[in-house]
Amino acid sequence: GAVVSQHPSRVICKSGTSVKIECRSLDFQATTMFWYRQFPKKSLMLMATSNEGSKATYEQGVEKDKFLINHASLTLSTLTVTSAHPEDSSFYICSARPFSGRGDYNEQFFGPGTRLTVL
Amino acid sequence: GQQVMQIPQYQHVQEGEDFTTYCNSSTTLSNIQWYKQRPGGHPVFLIQLVKSGEVKKQKRLTFQFGEAKKNSSLHITATQTTDVGTYFCAETGTYKYIFGTGTRLKVLA
Repeated sequence: GAVVSQHPSRVICKSGTSVKIECRSLDFQATTMFWYRQFPKKSLMLMATSNEGSKATYEQGVEKDKFLINHASLTLSTLTVTSAHPEDSSFYICSARPFSGRGDYNEQFFGPGTRLTVL
Repeated sequence: GQQVMQIPQYQHVQEGEDFTTYCNSSTTLSNIQWYKQRPGGHPVFLIQLVKSGEVKKQKRLTFQFGEAKKNSSLHITATQTTDVGTYFCAETGTYKYIFGTGTRLKVLA
């Protein structure tokens, strides 16, 4: 099946440091990847849409200089949380939509998520 | 902006009882997807509904899309402990997805 990996699965960092999270589609190419943030017991909030080879599209209220997204290839997107603060602590989940011809629907495949804790 | 609300927010049922979660939008939905997220896990795709009034079944799960395409429902018959998790609907537009607020289901054995 379609597999999306995320690395790291957990990260604890000090306030002020930057953290990079990788999202990879392992067995398919994804022109579009999405980054979500999920607070405990809450829904997924779309942060940005990442398109290969172009700038990410950020949702309203999401600081693009704070959350840097790079989609360098059809199988890799990265999210860098810059100068992290405790309020950035959250569960970050990526998803990938196949390039074409994969699956019957307009389906996205989710990564396992990265739990970020900023001390 | 567009909001997709789900009710109830929480539901506790005895094993064997039925369960229904409702998804309501303020605008007409192009299509709707349903996902299940187990505690500590990530969302897993269940199904997509596209047509007005569409009904689809997966074993004990029945999914319905409203005639006006502004609401949808997921019904589980005779819940089992394996049904525990949070169920999200998601409106999938042309390029992005808007997730509903989710319904967390607990099944008591």
